[in-house]
Amino acid sequence: QVQLQESGPGLVKPSQTLSLTCTVSGGSISSGSYYWSWIRQPAGKGLEWIGRIYTSGSTNYNPSLKSRVTISVDTSKNQFSLKLSSVTAADTAVYYCARDNSGYDLRSTYYYYYMDVWGKGTTVTVSS
Amino acid sequence: SSELTQDPAVSVALGQTVRITCQGDSLRSYYASWYQQKPGQAPVLVIYGKNNRPSGIPDRFSGSSSGNTASLTITGAQAEDEADYYCNSRDSSGNPWVFGGGTKLTVL
Repeated sequence: QVQLQESGPGLVKPSQTLSLTCTVSGGSISSGSYYWSWIRQPAGKGLEWIGRIYTSGSTNYNPSLKSRVTISVDTSKNQFSLKLSSVTAADTAVYYCARDNSGYDLRSTYYYYYMDVWGKGTTVTVSS
Repeated sequence: SSELTQDPAVSVALGQTVRITCQGDSLRSYYASWYQQKPGQAPVLVIYGKNNRPSGIPDRFSGSSSGNTASLTITGAQAEDEADYYCNSRDSSGNPWVFGGGTKLTVL
């Protein structure tokens, strides 16, 4: 059973770069047709998708964060990583990594997408 | 602002049925998926696709979709179902993901 674990500094200074890593265990990050996402959640607020990566290196980013976000993958380590630059207090949140899965319903001809595996999350505080 | 709209809060009496809705233009083309999040925990997938439950999710959880609205129904709500529920799907611009603002479910 695939499991995800986030890791990285819990405290980042304003204007610096937040760096987190998600380690995939119980399976290869390269097996199957999965994307791997980062999501964050400020305290008391909702979920915000940050971006995702395919094992080929192809990425998609939330337009509202795109200028500051870089997501990369290291298949040899079974990890993918997030870098968020020029952070402010507004970037303080719990950061989750998750696996993107997908399917197709033949009858309705709808595609469907879902995040079926999540890490436990890691809290990052931006403060001097 | 979210392109998927959810009611901020819903309540249900113990053992009764509750429907949580998610509205958005992208839902005319894509199914929503639904996540349950309890305090201090990561979200857990409860419904995906037309009406699919991951292993371990009780069959009192079900999903449906009509037009621009997706619904999560809990039939016979239990105390342990009290949680925040989020929907997500593609957004109307084709970006991979957008989340609804979440619905806080209270079981009375």
